[in-house]
Amino acid sequence: GAGVSQSPSNKVTEKGKDVELRCDPISGHTALYWYRQSLGQGLEFLIYFQGNSAPDKSGLPSDRFSAERTGGSVSTLTIQRTQQEDSAVYLCASSLMLSGASTDTQYFGPGTRLTVL
Amino acid sequence: GQSLEQPSEVTAVEGAIVQINCTYQTSGFYGLSWYQQHDGGAPTFLSYNGLDGLEETGRFSSFLSRSDSYGYLLLQELQMKDSASYFCAVRDGGFKTIFGAGTRLFVKA
Repeated sequence: GAGVSQSPSNKVTEKGKDVELRCDPISGHTALYWYRQSLGQGLEFLIYFQGNSAPDKSGLPSDRFSAERTGGSVSTLTIQRTQQEDSAVYLCASSLMLSGASTDTQYFGPGTRLTVL
Repeated sequence: GQSLEQPSEVTAVEGAIVQINCTYQTSGFYGLSWYQQHDGGAPTFLSYNGLDGLEETGRFSSFLSRSDSYGYLLLQELQMKDSASYFCAVRDGGFKTIFGAGTRLFVKA
């Protein structure tokens, strides 16, 4: 598996339930991003992890959203007490962010389509 | 605030050339990237400009003018398979990446 993988591919849940979305980045990639994309819209930055540095959580829309990255690899995005407005595709991306580099090509996973009823 | 502006839709015919513009206003700037996304698919990287000028990759070229906070993606010899959404994106100086809302390209026969 050379690419970024995400699971589940689809998740349907009831309003008020908690959900966990998983991302497996490309092996060796130090940077990991979570984005949210509503239908026909652009990508909304949620959170960024880089190595052992503190994550950039500035895009998380509320305290119901949290994410962690264990061992510098797999990441889990958790949404508590889901609301209908949380329905979207959640995309994960990883990159080989080299020190001093000005760009990082991001490789995206297929996404998790979340539907909150 | 931070924003990237790009047209919502562009239509062109097969074999033609199309230009998708992007203007940005961000707190920092570490280069302009372009991504392609087909319906139901994941975004894929197309091109990056860190310095002013033109970068060419096959049928795709991208241009940047930092003084104008402006860039564009140029697609030549359009093919039906180029029908997709195209996003410009700016790394804001930290590690955060800001994406535009996307331009939906329709290629007609």
